[in-house]
Amino acid sequence: DAKTTQPNSMESNEEEPVHLPCNHSTISGTDYIHWYRQLPSQGPEYVIHGLTSNVNNRMASLAIAEDRKSSTLILHRATLRDAAVYYCILCGKDSNYQLIWGAGTKLIIKP
Amino acid sequence: ETGVTQTPRHLVMGMTNKKSLKCEQHLGHNAMYWYKQSAKKPLELMFVYSLEERVENNSVPSRFSPECPNSSHLFLHLHTLQPEDSALYLCASSQVQAGFGEQYFGPGTRLTVT
Repeated sequence: DAKTTQPNSMESNEEEPVHLPCNHSTISGTDYIHWYRQLPSQGPEYVIHGLTSNVNNRMASLAIAEDRKSSTLILHRATLRDAAVYYCILCGKDSNYQLIWGAGTKLIIKP
Repeated sequence: ETGVTQTPRHLVMGMTNKKSLKCEQHLGHNAMYWYKQSAKKPLELMFVYSLEERVENNSVPSRFSPECPNSSHLFLHLHTLQPEDSALYLCASSQVQAGFGEQYFGPGTRLTVT
């Protein structure tokens, strides 16, 4: 079973920042927080992952709460190409280090 | 392009047919995965190969048979499938030393069982 909770859908305007929340109140010390996205008619795409500290890469930023019970994926300037389903996934010892997928958040970008 | 290719992209087969799905990764990874994505359901992990050894088999019916001849290639052999097996089958790869979380996916094979 997925151990994360995400809103079913979110809307955002093009060229504005997007903050995608994820709750994972039962996270364990060995769990990494991963984010993937899946564009229509494509396979999932790795976005970013982290353990305790905030992380940045060319695609996005990951902000992790101090107690690690929640995290936020930040797209700094959304484009229409960012419209996708975004998945927040815990990966660690409890899941035998495999990805356990939930339903994700469908992000809608309005022009 | 993710560096993971899958063929065919679309496949229609009858319940008595035998077919195979192919996956190839060009990333130098040493772990490969098969996932199933049915409509309105989360991705389901089917099989994991790490260093060419099968390390995970999530109670998948025997009509699905994986094969990993080397670290770059992965097959899923299909026989006597059922209509409920119609789905998108996704292959992924990763580097074991980096953990199993950072995976790179192919575009998938859309399978229809008639």
